[in-house]
Amino acid sequence: EVQLVESGGGLIQPGGSLRLSCAASGFTLSSNFMSWVRQAPGKGLEWVSLTYTRGNTLYADSVKGRFTISRDNSKNTMHLQMNSLRAEDTAVYYCATGSFDHWGQGTLVSVSS
Amino acid sequence: EIVLTQSPATLSLSPGERAILSCRASQSVSNSLAWYQHKPGQAPSLLIYDASNRATGIPARFSGSGSGTDFTLTISSLEPEDFAVYYCQQRSQGFTFGPGTKVDV
Repeated sequence: EVQLVESGGGLIQPGGSLRLSCAASGFTLSSNFMSWVRQAPGKGLEWVSLTYTRGNTLYADSVKGRFTISRDNSKNTMHLQMNSLRAEDTAVYYCATGSFDHWGQGTLVSVSS
Repeated sequence: EIVLTQSPATLSLSPGERAILSCRASQSVSNSLAWYQHKPGQAPSLLIYDASNRATGIPARFSGSGSGTDFTLTISSLEPEDFAVYYCQQRSQGFTFGPGTKVDV
């Protein structure tokens, strides 16, 4: 059974950094491209970033230059390094398989002073 | 950037009724469009991919159609568990989502 479990969310001050993780089981992460998607309070879904199997990456304009997606295939885990966080980055962050047919339950990131 | 618009914003229906949701793209996405169902406190669920293909385990009452810039998600007869927010997503250039349609009672 495919399972994705996010971790690393929490309360952080504006300008701070946070690293999210997505632990995958039931499939080999190295064979799949993977994405992060977020949902701000009261808002819709927003695609954030994607990593292809060979390491190429894509980012939404809203996070480009501040967020970095990466994968640790040896641990079947994906990460999202978030720097220079802003209040508007407050959201539930979901990881999803590249085809978006499997999602984690999400981890909440709150950026506030 | 491809922008998706969804209409209506809210659809008020009763169980057993047919729901027709629309998604329009600012430029052609061919058939690279997906639909998701999202309930509060849960992860989104993929319903339809490539405009008209049902994802694994999705009931036949859900169907998708369209190509180019205009797409439709139809729920033939609403079940109580279908009341949720529905998002379209284009996968032609990047992966942007539409603003969503809330289907409520």
